[in-house]
Amino acid sequence: GESVGLHLPTLSVQEGDNSIINCAYSNSASDYFIWYKQESGKGPQFIIDIRSNMDKRQGQRVTVLLNKTVKHLSLQIAATQPGDSAVYFCAETGGYQKVTFGIGTKLQVIP
Amino acid sequence: KAGVTQTPRYLIKTRGQQVTLSCSPISGHRSVSWYQQTPGQGLQFLFEYFSETQRNKGNFPGRFSGRQFSNSRSEMNVSTLELGDSALYLCASSLNVLGSNQPQHFGDGTRLSIL
Repeated sequence: GESVGLHLPTLSVQEGDNSIINCAYSNSASDYFIWYKQESGKGPQFIIDIRSNMDKRQGQRVTVLLNKTVKHLSLQIAATQPGDSAVYFCAETGGYQKVTFGIGTKLQVIP
Repeated sequence: KAGVTQTPRYLIKTRGQQVTLSCSPISGHRSVSWYQQTPGQGLQFLFEYFSETQRNKGNFPGRFSGRQFSNSRSEMNVSTLELGDSALYLCASSLNVLGSNQPQHFGDGTRLSIL
């Protein structure tokens, strides 16, 4: 039979507002986390990363927060722009040598 | 610095055929990983190559294989193609091996369609 597509969570945000995208990771042994942005027809693009010895890291208009207690990661985008519309993936990895990706969140920016 | 380059961008094959996809990593990157991306399964890890050796393999049948050359370029081969192999195949490179706390950088993928 036909496979059912993953139902991507969608976040709709007004242009200029801040966006918060959340991710629950699965492996408590993971010690390195990455956020990727994937636009239609392109491969995932690296945005920002964070190591497990940190709980916050800032980039240009983006901030990643890590809560190891509840295994939660978030990506905050300040002053969201139409060009931010994409699917955002979190990824976790560690000494176990594999990278596991979340299912992704679709961000829609309303002009 | 040029990014990860994958060729071809699009490919149409029929069931039972085989296909070879190519990936040129970022200059200086020694690890190359391959992923399959489908609407139904998301991003699935196929395998990783480092210094011409396969270091890790995902849960895919033996029809999926790969190799890496001394210049770090990598190829992926799928034999006896099935309809379910239709997907976007992504290559990612990083400076060092997976698990070494360095980000992977992705190419734009090869869109494989099986008729």
